[in-house]
Formats: sequence, C-alpha cells, structure tokens
Amino acid sequence: GAVVSQHPSWVICKSGTSVKIECRSLDFQATTMFWYRQFPKQSLMLMATSNEGSKATYEQGVEKDKFLINHASLTLSTLTVTSAHPEDSSFYICSANKGSYNEQFFGPGTRLTVL
Amino acid sequence: GENVEQHPSTLSVQEGDSAVIKCTYSDSASNYFPWYKQELGKRPQLIIDIRSNVGEKKDQRIAVTLNKTAKHFSLHITETQPEDSAVYFCAAKYTNFGNEKLTFGTGTRLTIIP
Repeated sequence: GAVVSQHPSWVICKSGTSVKIECRSLDFQATTMFWYRQFPKQSLMLMATSNEGSKATYEQGVEKDKFLINHASLTLSTLTVTSAHPEDSSFYICSANKGSYNEQFFGPGTRLTVL
Repeated sequence: GENVEQHPSTLSVQEGDSAVIKCTYSDSASNYFPWYKQELGKRPQLIIDIRSNVGEKKDQRIAVTLNKTAKHFSLHITETQPEDSAVYFCAAKYTNFGNEKLTFGTGTRLTIIP
C-alpha cells in the first residue's frame, strides 16, 4: 500500500488563533488530495479537494476563506483553519489516491481542540 | 451529486455469527464501491472494494455484493470475531482517472458480543 502522514496528530489552540495541518504522501506523488472532517460518532464529511498547482475545490457549505488549502507540491497539502472557534474542534483527515488506483489512502488524522 | 445511505446504524451480533451491512446509492454512474473499517481515533482502513462490472467479491471472511439495477451493495462478515468490532463505512464514486471524490455512508457501529 501507500503511506500518507499527517502532522500534527493532535493540537489544542485558543479561540481566534490559526492552525496549520500538513498532509504528506510519503512514497508516492499525489496530484489530488482530499480533506475530511469527522465529528464524534459521525461519518467523514468531505471539505475540499486539493489539487497540486491549482485552487482547491470546496464542498458546499465549507468556507474557503476559513479553511485555507495549499497544495504546493506533489507530496504535500496543507489545511489552515483560520480564526478557529470551539465549533471547529473535530478530527481532520486527509487522503490521497495513488496514481490511477481507485483506493484512497488515508492519513492518521489530526484531532483539533479549540478552547 | 451522489447520496449514499447506510443501514443499520448500529449492529450487535454474537461472536461466530454473521453480520450484514447494507448501502444504497443514488447516482447510477457510480462504478466503484469500497468498504472501510475505522477503529476509535484511527484512520479508515480499506477492507474490500468492488467495481460495477462485478456482482460479488470475497476475501476470506469478508464479502461484498453489488446489485447495480437496485443500486445497492452489501458487506457480509462471516464467523465474526471480537476484533471485527469497529465502525464500518461504505462509499461510492464514479471513477475514470482515479482522482474523483468518494461519498461516504453514515456508518455502522458493529459490536461483536463474546
């Protein structure tokens, strides 16, 4: 399989601050990565599709100015939660497709807690 | 867009018995259907997937069936073991180049009773 990493694995921040989460494909190049948010006991909700070298595609209802996505290289996508509030506390997971394979490889997730 | 419904939301079965989880999808163009297992606080792990040109696929104790006409697919786990306890998600997508987004079901919390 392929390996996707995320950093940090958990973060606690104060309300109003910004938090950056990194997603890396370690052994393959990913032109497309996906960012999900998962609240407790709920499903994975796609936030946006991150495309290398171009703007991300956001799902309906996701504020692009609040959740900034940058996919500057074929192995790294970042999600920045700006002006975080307690309601942004959640489990954020990224994933990537390896080449033309259908399987999505998920990162280990980042648990964000906003105080 | 695609909409995936999953049932039941919770399922308890006696160890050794079988478990069945069902999903329906709305977009007839969808042609790839994976199943993921997620343990608490962990990443989703692919356990089996099926493409629309196949009606059934089996991997040891796990099998998936697909009915394209009815637009539903099911996960079957036989001879359940305590380590099968987890949350299971179905998903669907139309794929051509492999980079298309997945739509997930709402999840089923499976508990295996020893």
